[in-house]
This record gives sequence, C-alpha cells and structure tokens, in this order.
Amino acid sequence: DAGVIQSPRHEVTEMGQEVTLRCKPISGHDYLFWYRQTMMRGLELLIYFNNNVPIDDSGMPEDRFSAKMPNASFSTLKIQPSEPRDSAVYFCASSLGLGLYEQYFGPGTRLTVT
Amino acid sequence: TQLLEQSPQFLSIQEGENLTVYCNSSSVFSSLQWYRQEPGEGPVLLVTVVTGGEVKKLKRLTFQFGDARKDSSLHITAAQPGDTGLYLCAGAKAAGNKLTFGGGTRVLVKP
Repeated sequence: DAGVIQSPRHEVTEMGQEVTLRCKPISGHDYLFWYRQTMMRGLELLIYFNNNVPIDDSGMPEDRFSAKMPNASFSTLKIQPSEPRDSAVYFCASSLGLGLYEQYFGPGTRLTVT
Repeated sequence: TQLLEQSPQFLSIQEGENLTVYCNSSSVFSSLQWYRQEPGEGPVLLVTVVTGGEVKKLKRLTFQFGDARKDSSLHITAAQPGDTGLYLCAGAKAAGNKLTFGGGTRVLVKP
C-alpha cells in the first residue's frame, strides 16, 4: 500500500480564499483523523471519522472549517474563508481503531495564508 | 496546559551521548505511544506501551511506562545523527478513546 496520501503538499493562498485539503487513507482502515500542527500549539486533533461518519469534531476551530468523508477512500478538509492564523501543517492519518492502534500519518499539507 | 507534558522541549547533543525525554501527566492512560517525526514528514510510530512498569527496547531506544501509567520516558543510548527529529508521546485514556499528543521534544544530534 502507498500509505496515506495527501494533496496538495504545499498551498499558498490569500486571506479570504477557500482552501480544500485532500486525503486518501490506507485501504481497510476504519478511522480517519485530521490534525493541525503549529510550533505554538503542537499537534492538535481537529476531527475524526469512523466508517465515513464524523464522530468527534470538538477540535474544529470554528465554522470556517468543515470536513467530509463521502466514501471510505477520500476525505476533504475545507477552510472558507481562510485567515493568516490558519497557516500550519495539516496532517491526515488513518488507523484500524482507536486507543492503542497505530495511526499512520500522511506527509502533510503545508498551508500558508497571506 | 497540555494533558501530556513533554520535557525538555529541545535537546541538542553530540553524537555518542545519551539522552532521556520525559512525558508526564496527572491522568492515568490505558496505553501510551511514542512517535518520531522527521522534517517534512508525518509522525511514525516507534512503540506502544500498555502495562504499568513496562519496559520496551528498540535497538538503542528504551521506553518505559510508569508504574501508575501516568508517565513515560524514552532513553536513547549513544545517539546518532539519524536520531534527530521531533519525538511525540501520545496517550489514550481508555481502549476506545482517541489519542492525545504531547507538545513534543525536538532532538538534534550533531556529528
């Protein structure tokens, strides 16, 4: 398997624009996670899905952020409108379960909002 | 304040030296994991510990889970430049719970 795939790897956009990040999890993994990483706040869980259903979105910063998982092999994280403070590296991860199950991370999308 | 506190935040040592990274909490965890993240990549799992007092070894890396399952440590013997990276601990409070990550320890091993 190719592992978790994320696109784009880098995104530079202007404040106010819509940004869509994409993720393809490892086939057979029932859980998909979206994280955001910054120097100040570290690695934060934004939302996770189980069998394509959003389970916990308590980490989503505000209504500007939304995530979908239309099928088992694809998820998106959308920011509309984007703001400079959204600049971060966004990771997608997938796993077979919660708790002690290993999470497999993608390479991340580095987002810069100017 | 993070649920899992890692210390130190940054560590710079010479090749061949030993180092220890700590992960502490006031909460009990059913399991704890250590990940390593290299620049430009996502974190990669190193080990999972589930039993209080458990010690696991992975070549030159030794991981320990505290007896009370509230803390953990990672010890690297004779560090090499390839050990450079961000070390993250992550815990689950119960078997079906999501992971909470610590703030990370950035390790630089100079040749």
